[in-house]
Amino acid sequence: KNEVEQSPQNLTAQEGEFITINCSYSVGISALHWLQQHPGGGIVSLFMLSSGKKKHGRLIATINIQEKHSSLHITASHPRDSAVYICAVRSHNTDKLIFGTGTRLQVFP
Amino acid sequence: EPEVTQTPSHQVTQMGQEVILRCVPISNHLYFYWYRQILGQKVEFLVSFYNNEISEKSEIFDDQFSVERPDGSNFTLKIRSTKLEDSAMYFCASRQSYLYEQYFGPGTRLTVT
Repeated sequence: KNEVEQSPQNLTAQEGEFITINCSYSVGISALHWLQQHPGGGIVSLFMLSSGKKKHGRLIATINIQEKHSSLHITASHPRDSAVYICAVRSHNTDKLIFGTGTRLQVFP
Repeated sequence: EPEVTQTPSHQVTQMGQEVILRCVPISNHLYFYWYRQILGQKVEFLVSFYNNEISEKSEIFDDQFSVERPDGSNFTLKIRSTKLEDSAMYFCASRQSYLYEQYFGPGTRLTVT
């Protein structure tokens, strides 16, 4: 069983829709990261969080430590949001990131 | 805005050859990482480096791999004798401190033939 599970694996949306991507993990963590991987392969860090909620523009990330669950929300989605979104966790007493398999998002005009 | 850079963007090599992948982390960052992503698979941690030594490594990071920070700016990953299964995208990352997020480089695509 993977230590980090994401759902859905694939997601299509119409421009303007509200998007939610979920991440569940099975280990105790010190931080959770949301990353965006573009079609060319580059990875951009969106959020690092260890509790509560963070917002940046149209992106919102939440985490529930007790339930070992995080969500990434995109409001008013746009075709340029099309990418793979990856959840990664850093477990306690380690510096290594454990990655989920990613959620491929396509937003159509 | 400062960014992590990697060279080359694409490297093709023959099986058994040595390759060195280069990274220039952000200048005031202290923690450095290498990850790899085999085509169609998830990103995997290889190694972390802090204070001029390896702080953690994965099972993938065997004796064929080594890392070095030869000067104040570069951070390299060497694969001594490449195998077909080393073909992947290799990402370098760095961060300022334990409390901050990691910044990823654009990756080097390694193709072993």
